[in-house]
Amino acid sequence: EAGVVQSPRYKIIEKKQPVAFWCNPISGHNTLYWYRQNLGQGPELLIRYENEEAVDDSQLPKDRFSAERLKGVDSTLKIQPAELGDSAVYLCASSFPRTGGSSEAFFGQGTRLTVV
Amino acid sequence: AQRVTQPEKLLSVFKGAPVELKCNYSYSGSPELFWYVQYSRQRLQLLLRHISRESIKGFTADLNKGETSFHLKKPFAQEEDSAMYYCALRSRGGGNKLTFGTGTQLKVEL
Repeated sequence: EAGVVQSPRYKIIEKKQPVAFWCNPISGHNTLYWYRQNLGQGPELLIRYENEEAVDDSQLPKDRFSAERLKGVDSTLKIQPAELGDSAVYLCASSFPRTGGSSEAFFGQGTRLTVV
Repeated sequence: AQRVTQPEKLLSVFKGAPVELKCNYSYSGSPELFWYVQYSRQRLQLLLRHISRESIKGFTADLNKGETSFHLKKPFAQEEDSAMYYCALRSRGGGNKLTFGTGTQLKVEL
């Protein structure tokens, strides 16, 4: 089992350019999260999916960020256009709900984005 | 709203000394609390959860609802414990929303 796979690992782009991140969750995991982690900070939730439905996107800056999870498996997160302040590590995580709760979230290695 | 506070950004201890990483939370419902750890150049991974009441790598954490705390403790720190530690809260009534604290860097010195 490869775990949660994210691609690319690193990305450097100029401001105003578009960028996309891809995530393949663990097989069978219904819940998928996208987090942004700024330097020296904890992960902050951008969007959470239950299957193909975005159930919590209140923290997603919708003017430039978009996400999709077609077929409830893989997911992509897009930024267009990117700004300098978007430089961060973007983390994808997935989990499978267990009876009684306490389902563990498994994280990918993250994509480190640098906007110059 | 749910919030997790980790007041210490950095904690430095000597090998063999006790460790306590502080975590406080605010949440109106019944929370699930977790500790995640990130070793150098590795992905974020679950260390322990309050429901399991388990000891992992010598670490324990007790949920204190009166003080709204979930401090992580270990009686004798080891060099390999050096890592970034994040406390996280999941709202039971609000689906699977998982909120993280800002993290504490633990440095164990020889």
